[in-house]
Amino acid sequence: DTGVSQNPRHKITKRGQNVTFRCDPISEHNRLYWYRQTLGQGPEFLTYFQNEAQLEKSRLLSDRFSAERPKGSFSTLEIQRTEQGDSAMYLCASSSPLQETQYFGPGTRLLVL
Amino acid sequence: GDSVTQMEGPVTLSEEAFLTINCTYTATGYPSLFWYVQYPGEGLQLLLKATKADDKGSNKGFEATYRKETTSFHLEKGSVQVSDSAVYFCALSRADFGNEKLTFGTGTRLTIIP
Repeated sequence: DTGVSQNPRHKITKRGQNVTFRCDPISEHNRLYWYRQTLGQGPEFLTYFQNEAQLEKSRLLSDRFSAERPKGSFSTLEIQRTEQGDSAMYLCASSSPLQETQYFGPGTRLLVL
Repeated sequence: GDSVTQMEGPVTLSEEAFLTINCTYTATGYPSLFWYVQYPGEGLQLLLKATKADDKGSNKGFEATYRKETTSFHLEKGSVQVSDSAVYFCALSRADFGNEKLTFGTGTRLTIIP
């Protein structure tokens, strides 16, 4: 069990550029979550996958955001035409159906200039 | 919708002091309740959890009891250490068709001084 990993850890981009983040969950976990955390706030739910199926998307996830989990293992979160308001920490978590505990990765910190 | 209200910080205590961080929630049904901790430079870690009313979660000397009548899940520790300095998040989840998404409070920053 190597834990949840996320890449990159930090990303600086210019407004209008596209960015993609990757999350590798714990290997036997079939549930994967993305959250966003802004400074001084708690994480907010963005989207949820069970295996490769994306089963719920928050209203926070505008049409510039897309997430995939093509083979039910790793997941990617893409933000198109980034805006300064997208600057935040993007967190990934995974869990198994046998446990009600989500394990979080270290996050990807995005700064949009 | 679901929400979690946490005691605002920052909180500063001396080593060996008693700690309480208040947490109340609003949710339909019977949510599970969690405390997560974020140490400086690290990711969120589960500290403790309780899945039904009157359950007590405990870990590393921290405790919290699920109180349905007061919709609360206050975090307590009898004697804090410098190493407990971190940000603490209260959270709830409801298992809707397997989606156990977490709803978090805003976090409480705790600093322990020697």
